[in-house]
Amino acid sequence: AQRVTQPEKLLSVFKGAPVELKCNYSYSGSPELFWYVQYSRQRLQLLLRHISRESIKGFTADLNKGETSFHLKKPFAQEEDSAMYYCALRGDNDMRFGAGTRLTVKP
Amino acid sequence: DTGVSQDPRHKITKRGQNVTFRCDPISEHNRLYWYRQTLGQGPEFLTYFQNEAQLEKSRLLSDRFSAERPKGSFSTLEIQRTEQGDSAMYLCASSVRGNTIYFGEGSWLTVV
Repeated sequence: AQRVTQPEKLLSVFKGAPVELKCNYSYSGSPELFWYVQYSRQRLQLLLRHISRESIKGFTADLNKGETSFHLKKPFAQEEDSAMYYCALRGDNDMRFGAGTRLTVKP
Repeated sequence: DTGVSQDPRHKITKRGQNVTFRCDPISEHNRLYWYRQTLGQGPEFLTYFQNEAQLEKSRLLSDRFSAERPKGSFSTLEIQRTEQGDSAMYLCASSVRGNTIYFGEGSWLTVV
């Protein structure tokens, strides 16, 4: 079974501080992991995917198969990063999402 | 706008009534997904289509729910005999197989 766990519902940091949003997954096969973001009053959109190995808006995420984790990191948070962040796993066919973490970046 | 579009955006219905939501995917996207999202939760998978074939259905999709994609383009999600527990955001998404999934803005359902 595919399962995604985001242990923190809320995360609050000050502007300029590092931020890490945690994501753990459970899947017996070879997973494909994603981070989606939803800004206020906007639709859910892709932030990054692990196979791309890219940095988007200063965010990076590394797939750690040993720890079954795909944590999202940014060294210096900005106020415009405040949003809901969802970790997602694509297994055989469909995409499964975690419950999400609401990130608030305070000035 | 060539993104995924959903209609209606908001629906308020009385318990026991039937409701239907429509999704128009991005053209040429052969995969179409339906998700449900309630407050404080991430999107929960309901079902998906590849072209007109419905390939997987979640156990969340009770027999009161039915989804179709008759010509492999737009899709409809119908809920019969609505219950208060059906109140949620119903999200549609589309993709080309194996690629990025793009979401619509969702259809809010409130059952009173």
